[in-house]
Formats: sequence, structure tokens, C-alpha cells
Amino acid sequence: GNSVTQMEGPVTLSEEAFLTINCTYTATGYPSLFWYVQYPGEGLQLLLKATKADDKGSNKGFEATYRKETTSFHLEKGSVQVSDSAVYFCARAGTGANNLFFGTGTRLTVIP
Amino acid sequence: GAGVSQTPSNKVTEKGKYVELRCDPISGHTALYWYRQSLGQGPEFLIYFQGTGAADDSGLPNDRFFAVRPEGSVSTLKIQRTERGDSAVYLCASSVLAGGETDTQYFGPGTRLTVL
Repeated sequence: GNSVTQMEGPVTLSEEAFLTINCTYTATGYPSLFWYVQYPGEGLQLLLKATKADDKGSNKGFEATYRKETTSFHLEKGSVQVSDSAVYFCARAGTGANNLFFGTGTRLTVIP
Repeated sequence: GAGVSQTPSNKVTEKGKYVELRCDPISGHTALYWYRQSLGQGPEFLIYFQGTGAADDSGLPNDRFFAVRPEGSVSTLKIQRTERGDSAVYLCASSVLAGGETDTQYFGPGTRLTVL
């Protein structure tokens, strides 16, 4: 089964709204966690990552905190922009750390 | 510098045909990964190379799928006797280290395969 469960979309927000995209995972141990983003017409890009419990990854105003108690890695941004419109994927490292398990993706559309 | 490149960007083939998809990783990256992304889904792992050898091919769906990386750089994913269910975007990624926990994978733009 899928070991990364991601909030289903699509999500539509107005510019400057607060964003949360939920992500939970199942795993043995404490794998590295990632958020990847796919902008329209582009390939997957790493947005941020956290490699151990309680770490906070951040980039471009986005943040996510590795919560081992709740096995979660929710993505947040305080004020979204139109340019943030994209598909966001949560992922965790495999047990051998040589592959990634992805969630199904959440499409975000930000309207002016 | 140049990122991961994949060719062709689009491939349309008929059921039962053979196809090859190519990946050029970032220069100097030891590890190379193939994923498959079906419509509305996240990428699913297929195979991982460390250098020239396939270190983990547990994600390949069946023996119609095969991948090589003979010189430790360019990789080719080969699909025999294609089926309509093989239609997807095939993604390649590479990373500097050999699958370390903090290793960052850099993805190519993908090859969209359509099997008619």
C-alpha cells in the first residue's frame, strides 16, 4: 500500500491566503521526508526536506516540520502567490534510502 | 549547469511494440533512478542504479521492463511488447551520492509514453 498519504486536491486559494497541505506517512524508523513541486510544464523540483525528527525544512516561504509523534510533514505557507500554483508532492525515503515513495499530489491554484 | 535530460519528450507507439527511453543524468552523479507516473498519481519507483549496476530493481512491474546503464552515465529504459497500461510519464532522476539518507534526487522533465 501507499506509505505516504496526502491531502487530496484540488485546492484553490486567493492570493495572500494561508496554505496547509497535509501529509502523513507510514514507515519503520525515521526516514527523510520531502516536498517536491511541479510547476506547469516543468519537471519535479525539490522544494524542501527534513532528515530527522523535529527538523524544519523551509524554502521560498514554505515550511514543513518533521513530526514523529503524528508521523506528519504538513506543508505550510503564510501568504501564497499566483506563482505558487503547481502540483505539490509529499515523499519519504525508502528503507534503503535509494528510492522515494510519493503521495498522489495536491494541485494548488492561486487566484488573484 | 545542465540538469537531467530525457529523450524523447513524447513517444506514441502501438500495442506490442518495443520502446526505448533515454536518460542523461547530471554529470558526475553516481546514482540514477527511474520512476513511472500515471495520470493523477505520484511517481512510483521502478529501478535504481549505483554506477553501472542495478542496485534495486524491485519496482519493475514485470519482465517486459528492463534498464541498463553500461558506462555509469546514460541509462536506457526498455519496454518490450508494450501494453496500453504502460502509458504514463516515465521520469528519470539522478543524485550525487549512492542513495544516502540526505541525498537529493534531481528529476528530468520526463518522457510521456502513449500506447495505442
